Amino acid sequence: EADIYQTPRYLVIGTGKKITLECSQTMGHDKMYWYQQDPGMELHLIHYSYGVNSTEKGDLSSESTVSRIRTEHFPLTLESARPSHTSQYLCASSEVAGELFFGEGSRLTVL
Amino acid sequence: SQQGEEDPQALSIQEGENATMNCSYKTSINNLQWYRQNSGRGLVHLILIRSNEREKHSGRLRVTLDTSKKSSSLLITASRAADTASYFCATDLGDTGRRALTFGSGTRLQVQP
Repeated sequence: EADIYQTPRYLVIGTGKKITLECSQTMGHDKMYWYQQDPGMELHLIHYSYGVNSTEKGDLSSESTVSRIRTEHFPLTLESARPSHTSQYLCASSEVAGELFFGEGSRLTVL
Repeated sequence: SQQGEEDPQALSIQEGENATMNCSYKTSINNLQWYRQNSGRGLVHLILIRSNEREKHSGRLRVTLDTSKKSSSLLITASRAADTASYFCATDLGDTGRRALTFGSGTRLQVQP
C-alpha cells in the first residue's frame, strides 16, 4: 500500500468557485507530481516538484497552481473553477529514480 | 504527440487465457514501466525494465523491451477476472530529457469469468 493520500475523492462544485485538492505522502519522497486524466484516457502531467520550494509546469497547460512548502504536502489550487476543469486529478510521488506511487485520485465535476 | 502508445486499445479474453499488450515509444529512454489502474482508482506500479534489459518477470507478468524497435510488451499469463483493469506503459527519459514519466493511452483489459 502506498502512503500517499488525496482529498477530497469526489468534489462537485459550481462555476467560479475556488478549490484546493490536497495531496500528502509519508514516504519522504522529494519528487511529487500532478497528472490530469479524463475517463478512459491517458494521463497528462500538469505540475511537478523536485523538492521544497521547487515547482514546474508539465506538458499540459493548466490554469491550476501548486505549492510545495513542506516535503510531504503538494496541494493543487484552481482559483476559479470552470466546466472545462472537470476531470480526474492524480497525485504521485517518487524517489530519485524509479516507480511512481499514486494516490487514489480526486474526481472533480464543475457544473 | 504521445511518447508511448499502447496496442490494442481494448482486449477481451476468457479466464485462463494469456493477455498481451504492446507499447511503442518515440525517443530514447532510461527505463520503461508498466502500471495498472482499476476503474476510478489510482495507478499501481507493476514492473520496471531498464534500457539495458531485454526481459523481466514478476509472477504471472512478463515484460520484454526492444530498444531497436522502441517497443515493449506486457504478457499476463493464465489471466483471472481480477486482472480486469487498464494497463499503461510509461517511459522515463532519465537525464536525457524531462524528469517525469510520460504515459501512453492505455489498454483496457476485460477478463471474462
